[in-house]
Amino acid sequence: EAGVAQSPRYKIIEKRQSVAFWCNPISGHATLYWYQQILGQGPKLLIQFQNNGVVDDSQLPKDRFSAERLKGVDSTLKIQPAKLEDSAVYLCASSLEPGTSGSGTDTQYFGPGTRLTVL
Amino acid sequence: DQQVKQNSPSLSVQEGRISILNCDYTNSMFDYFLWYKKYPAEGPTFLISISSIKDKNEDGRFTVFLNKSAKHLSLHIVPSQPGDSAVYFCAASAGGGTYKYIFGTGTRLKVLA
Repeated sequence: EAGVAQSPRYKIIEKRQSVAFWCNPISGHATLYWYQQILGQGPKLLIQFQNNGVVDDSQLPKDRFSAERLKGVDSTLKIQPAKLEDSAVYLCASSLEPGTSGSGTDTQYFGPGTRLTVL
Repeated sequence: DQQVKQNSPSLSVQEGRISILNCDYTNSMFDYFLWYKKYPAEGPTFLISISSIKDKNEDGRFTVFLNKSAKHLSLHIVPSQPGDSAVYFCAASAGGGTYKYIFGTGTRLKVLA
């Protein structure tokens, strides 16, 4: 079974530029997550989609970050304009169905991430 | 406010011995806990999980223990192998509609051959 795919793997941009990341979840996974992992910290959830609807975007800096999952499958995360503090690894994860803790169906599976460096 | 804490940034263990990684949490609403392993330049890989209705879950060399009264969980790896060298993250979920995971800051395990 193919895992979560992400591209690009690495990106270097200047501050105030724009950048976009792409994610294709595991086939059949209705729930998709974007995380930001700053060096030395654990992943922090930015946004969660259930099919093509947003479930939680409470920690997404909406003045500069946006995300979409138009057809309920793949997703893009955009930063415009980027700041120095956005340098991080952006991880995408997917799961079958949240809300069934203990059944394993809401276990999140992660892609390899995109390492963003903002200069 | 760090709701999930891994107070040991690193741990070194001899091959064949037991590795014990610890995690503390503050939110009593958390009802599901997971451990992920992360190698450099890869995403976190799910390792093992435990529901709050249990106090132990075992999968091969990996066992997770949950002490709800102490708000503490631990991951035991026995016997430790060099391939286990990685960063280990503990995560917790509280349900509440989104069931989002809150991650700790990770513990880097080095298993010495």
